[in-house]
Amino acid sequence: GESVGLHLPTLSVQEGDNSIINCAYSNSASDYFIWYKQESGKGPQFIIDIRSNMDKRQGQRVTVLLNKTVKHLSLQIAATQPGDSAVYFCAENINNYGQNFVFGPGTRLSVLP
Amino acid sequence: EAQVTQNPRYLITVTGKKLTVTCSQNMNHEYMSWYRQDPGLGLRQIYYSMNVEVTDKGDVPEGYKVSRKEKRNFPLILESPSPNQTSLYFCASSVRLAGDNEQFFGPGTRLTVL
Repeated sequence: GESVGLHLPTLSVQEGDNSIINCAYSNSASDYFIWYKQESGKGPQFIIDIRSNMDKRQGQRVTVLLNKTVKHLSLQIAATQPGDSAVYFCAENINNYGQNFVFGPGTRLSVLP
Repeated sequence: EAQVTQNPRYLITVTGKKLTVTCSQNMNHEYMSWYRQDPGLGLRQIYYSMNVEVTDKGDVPEGYKVSRKEKRNFPLILESPSPNQTSLYFCASSVRLAGDNEQFFGPGTRLTVL
């Protein structure tokens, strides 16, 4: 079946370094993607999104890159801070109505002092 | 404060005893959705609703029911809970059904079915 997955289940980075979290998706028809951050004991929180007609989108300290050729999505966090420690999910929109989302299993990001 | 609320936050029940988890949003959002989160499986969509009286199945609807009689409320009903429905449940809402709308998530309901 179609699925969204992550290459790395855990990632540890030094405070101040840049983080890169990767995601592979299998549905070439998906046209909208979201990255979420989930802190312990809380619900997922929207970070950034991107539509399939874009290759790159930047937010505050975060950048999402989309490579449709290889169906790959990445989230880059600049100057990683302790508050960035969380589980990060990518999600793809798999139907034309825009709201049937498939989430990946998540990557845990740990920021080392 | 704009938010999505869920009740209860924690629930332990027994097999077969009907239960309802409530979800309410105060943002006048059209779209609402329920997810379950299990270790190693991420978030899986159970049901979603594009507006009042409009609901549709997500990826794992078996064993669940929903209703959307009012815009702000989207309860999740387990008519006969089973142990495999032990999970962490999240409700979410967004402005409309278009694909580029941020979903706001509730705090989660941890359900244990014995």
